[in-house]
Amino acid sequence: GENVEQHPSTLSVQEGDSAVIKCTYSDSASNYFPWYKQELGKRPQLIIDIRSNVGEKKDQRIAVTLNKTAKHFSLHITETQPEDSAVYFCAAKGADSWGKLQFGAGTQVVVTP
Amino acid sequence: SQTIHQWPATLVQPVGSPLSLECTVEGTSNPNLYWYRQAAGRGLQLLFYSVGIGQISSEVPQNLSASRPQDRQFILSSKKLLLSDSGFYLCAWSYRNTEAFFGQGTRLTVV
Repeated sequence: GENVEQHPSTLSVQEGDSAVIKCTYSDSASNYFPWYKQELGKRPQLIIDIRSNVGEKKDQRIAVTLNKTAKHFSLHITETQPEDSAVYFCAAKGADSWGKLQFGAGTQVVVTP
Repeated sequence: SQTIHQWPATLVQPVGSPLSLECTVEGTSNPNLYWYRQAAGRGLQLLFYSVGIGQISSEVPQNLSASRPQDRQFILSSKKLLLSDSGFYLCAWSYRNTEAFFGQGTRLTVV
C-alpha cells in the first residue's frame, strides 16, 4: 500500500519568510496529492491539491510542486503570516477503485511576528 | 451542496464501555467513506474505509469496527473501549479521485 513520509515535523519561520514542507510517496500509481491545513481542535481543510499530470500549481501565496520521477511533492508558502500557523498534512491517493487517501505525519508550522 | 455530519463532538467514556460514533453525508451518492483517528499532536491514522454499502476495509487491527448500513451512513463501534482508544476521530467522504472532506470530529476521552 501507499506510504507517505513528511518532513520536517516542526517548522518555525519569521513572519514574511517562506516555508517549505516536503513529502515522498511510495506508490508510483498514486495520482492525486492534496495538502490540508489543520488549526488546533478543528478539522483538516484542503488548501491546495495537484494531480499527477501537472508539475506545479499556485494559489496566491501557496504553491505545490510534484516530481513524479522522484515521487516527491512539496508545499511552498511565501510571505508567511501568523495566521499560517497550523499543522499541515500532505496526502496521496492511489488510482485504484478504492481511492484510499493516505496522509503524512504532519508538520507543525509556527510563524513568529 | 454536500455536507457531512458527525456526532457527538465530545465524548467521555469509561474503560470497558461500548462506543458508537455516527457519520452521515448529504447531497451525494455512493461516496467513499473513511474513519481516521488522530492522537494528540499526531498525524491522521486511517482506520477504516468503505466504497459501498457493507464494504468495509480495515487498515489497523484493533478493537474497533466499522459498518455502513446505508449508502451515506458510516458507523464506528467498539464493544469495550481501552484507554489507548482516546483521540480525535474524524469521518470523511470523497469521490474516487477527489479530495476528502472531513466532519467536525469527535474528541473521545476514555477514562
